[in-house]
Amino acid sequence: DAGVIQSPRHEVTEMGQEVTLRCKPISGHNSLFWYRQTMMRGLELLIYFNNNVPIDDSGMPEDRFSAKMPNASFSTLKIQPSEPRDSAVYFCASSLIPRDQPQHFGDGTRLSIL
Amino acid sequence: KQEVTQIPAALSVPEGENLVLNCSFTDSAIYNLQWFRQDPGKGLTSLLLIQSSQREQTSGRLNASLDKSSGRSTLYIAASQPGDSATYLCAVHPYNTDKLIFGTGTRLQVFP
Repeated sequence: DAGVIQSPRHEVTEMGQEVTLRCKPISGHNSLFWYRQTMMRGLELLIYFNNNVPIDDSGMPEDRFSAKMPNASFSTLKIQPSEPRDSAVYFCASSLIPRDQPQHFGDGTRLSIL
Repeated sequence: KQEVTQIPAALSVPEGENLVLNCSFTDSAIYNLQWFRQDPGKGLTSLLLIQSSQREQTSGRLNASLDKSSGRSTLYIAASQPGDSATYLCAVHPYNTDKLIFGTGTRLQVFP
């Protein structure tokens, strides 16, 4: 069974550009999570969805960040406009039943904003 | 506000040693506690999940315990191997949300 798939694996772009990160969760999982990891702040939850509906977006840093889940097999995290302080590794994770089952993580997107 | 702390931040040991990694949390109102492993350049891999009603879980050389009343969990690694070298993170799942709260991790190095 394929795991959580994220693309791209690496992204380097100039500040001000729009960045779109993509995630395909494990088939059948109905919860999807977007995280950001930095040396300074560790692993932070940005937003999560249950059954394609955003439940908690309190971790989204500001209006420049947006996330969508148009269907059960695809989600995007968009940053527009991007800034150097957005440089981090962004992870997507999915789970079948979060309270009983572990979250499964993708390998992440390493984002560098110049 | 739930806070999760892991001690030590880093650990370097010779192969074959038995290890204990510690995790503490400030609010005992949790559904479960999870231990993850993260290798460099990779995502997190779930190792063990302990429900709040359980005291411990075992998988191979790994054993995790949970004392919810004191806000503590330990991950015991028996007969450590160089392949165990990674960062280990614990996370708690609070009531009324599916938002995991992560500790800052313990970076483990096992040398031959």
